[in-house]
Amino acid sequence: QLQLQESGPGLVKPSETLSLTCTVSGGSISSSSYYWGWIRQPPGKGLEWIGSIYYSGSTYYNPSLKSRVTISVDTSKNQFSLKLSSVTAADTAVYYCARLAAAAGTWWFDPWGQGTLVTVSS
Amino acid sequence: SSELTQDPAVSVALGQTVRITCQGDSLRSYYASWYQQKPGQAPVLVIYGKNNRPSGIPDRFSGSSSGNTASLTITGAQAEDEADYYCNSRDSSGNPVFGGGTKLTVL
Repeated sequence: QLQLQESGPGLVKPSETLSLTCTVSGGSISSSSYYWGWIRQPPGKGLEWIGSIYYSGSTYYNPSLKSRVTISVDTSKNQFSLKLSSVTAADTAVYYCARLAAAAGTWWFDPWGQGTLVTVSS
Repeated sequence: SSELTQDPAVSVALGQTVRITCQGDSLRSYYASWYQQKPGQAPVLVIYGKNNRPSGIPDRFSGSSSGNTASLTITGAQAEDEADYYCNSRDSSGNPVFGGGTKLTVL
């Protein structure tokens, strides 16, 4: 059974860079059938797609965050990572990683990691 | 602002049928996927594609689509179905986008 687990600091200072890693177990991140994505959810609010990556390294970012986001993949460790620079309090959220599957006419995120709360505060 | 619009809140009596809707232009071309999120938990996929349920999702959950509207129907709602529900599809640029979410209350 495929499982994803986010890891990284739970507290980041304003203007610094948020860094998270998602470790995939029970399956290969190098599968040609899937993408891998990051989604966040501010406290009490809805879900926001941050970006996605293919095992080859091709990336796709939310235009509203593109200037600050970098997603990378390490196939040797079965991990992919998120970096978000110049963070502010507005970046405080639960950050999820998830597998993204695509087929004709649709795509879906499944499964999801449990999520990790990142608070931006001095 | 989201390109997918959901009603903020919906309620249903225990055992009755409820439809949760999601509107957006991209839904004329792409199916929506639907996620259930209970407090303090990660979202869980309940419907994807035309009307596909992942393993373990009860068959009381179903999906449909017409024009610019996708719907998630729960037939015979149970107390454990009380949760937030999010739709997901593509925006005008082809990127993933989520609806604002619908809080379902089971009375």
